[in-house]
Amino acid sequence: EPEVTQTPSHQVTQMGQEVILRCVPISNHLYFYWYRQILGQKVEFLVSFYNNEISEKSEIFDDQFSVERPDGSNFTLKIRSTKLEDSAMYFCASKLAGNPFYEQYFGPGTRLTVT
Amino acid sequence: DAKTTQPNSMESNEEEPVHLPCNHSTISGTDYIHWYRQLPSQGPEYVIHGLTSNVNNRMASLAIAEDRKSSTLILHRATLRDAAVYYCILHPYNTDKLIFGTGTRLQVFP
Repeated sequence: EPEVTQTPSHQVTQMGQEVILRCVPISNHLYFYWYRQILGQKVEFLVSFYNNEISEKSEIFDDQFSVERPDGSNFTLKIRSTKLEDSAMYFCASKLAGNPFYEQYFGPGTRLTVT
Repeated sequence: DAKTTQPNSMESNEEEPVHLPCNHSTISGTDYIHWYRQLPSQGPEYVIHGLTSNVNNRMASLAIAEDRKSSTLILHRATLRDAAVYYCILHPYNTDKLIFGTGTRLQVFP
């Protein structure tokens, strides 16, 4: 069964450093998402991406964050200058089409630790 | 965003049916009802969704009240692997994001 993959599984970085989290969505999916989950808290929506542009973003997704689909397979989340509070699990998801009839498929996550 | 209300936790014994309730009294006519679950240390996983009619798939059944103000996720025979946090999420037609609440933590005992 096709699945969403994410790399790395765990990333440790120092405050102020840039990090790039990578995702390979399911190959025929057209909609892509990033969510995060701070330890012990809810899963929070960050951003959705379709047709090479952001379609929706949350208040969390400020100027420090950016997303890109650099080629036909990868979908990346960049945090320009990490803060301690960015420490969380980051989940990538993809979906075949945009309407709510379709489900989102989530990856296993990248644990980001900012020290 | 329309709100859902779920019990914080539920318990079940293995191989027994489990009924996980969800209240969504402010649901609008075009909101789909989605259920996802999150196993320990994993990403969320789709379980089932519906609009008005009851739905069955290989994982579970979804029973939707006639007025759509509540729904119930039914696991017909719980296994230890079903221990997870279950999220009931309303998915409007005009947005693509999933808004996760705190969900119901299901414990399954052997």
